[in-house]
Amino acid sequence: DTAVSQTPKYLVTQMGNDKSIKCEQNLGHDTMYWYKQDSKKFLKIMFSYNNKELIINETVPNRFSPKSPDKAHLNLHINSLELGDSAVYFCASSLQLTSGPNNEQFFGPGTRLTVL
Amino acid sequence: AQKVTQAQTEISVVEKEDVTLDCVYETRDTTYYLFWYKQPPSGELVFLIRRNSFDEQNEISGRYSWNFQKSTSSFNFTITASQVVDSAVYFCALSEETSGSRLTFGEGTQLTVNP
Repeated sequence: DTAVSQTPKYLVTQMGNDKSIKCEQNLGHDTMYWYKQDSKKFLKIMFSYNNKELIINETVPNRFSPKSPDKAHLNLHINSLELGDSAVYFCASSLQLTSGPNNEQFFGPGTRLTVL
Repeated sequence: AQKVTQAQTEISVVEKEDVTLDCVYETRDTTYYLFWYKQPPSGELVFLIRRNSFDEQNEISGRYSWNFQKSTSSFNFTITASQVVDSAVYFCALSEETSGSRLTFGEGTQLTVNP
């Protein structure tokens, strides 16, 4: 059973388009995240949600809008895509919001976004 | 502010060699958590270990071992008798109690194990 899943795995699109990436976790976790991994493999947090509530918005352009319809899902919508948005986007989940024991984050397989 | 530094960008070894991946962190919190993740060529991120700031005991899991030293703010990862399947990018990460469960990652170390 897949713990954290993302769709699509690959996304190729033109500049200026709007696209969405979906994420679902079946771990019963309260907290979900989006991370961006750039071409140099650097991983940086973008957003976190706890029980559908936005907790972290890490100076991400407002073209990026996360949406959490329920605590098992956290989708990422990107408007007016730019070349610099090309990256791998990882969804993750953890048991709870606070840092603590048994609160490691589990990551989805990633979505490779290529903007042409 | 929290920061994680992995000074080794790339390491190349021959199979069966031991290799140590360095990780140095900065934090003002007294309670924090350190992690290692593995990213194989297939791209997924695999959780390897979590350590809290109050537990400096070294840990061994098969060929993997971790050396946590608060005095030098380091959390190094050693692979003994490396194998080709260990080839991956390895990330060290930090989570502070006051920052919730946000993970700050190091830049990653690309490990290549040659046959």
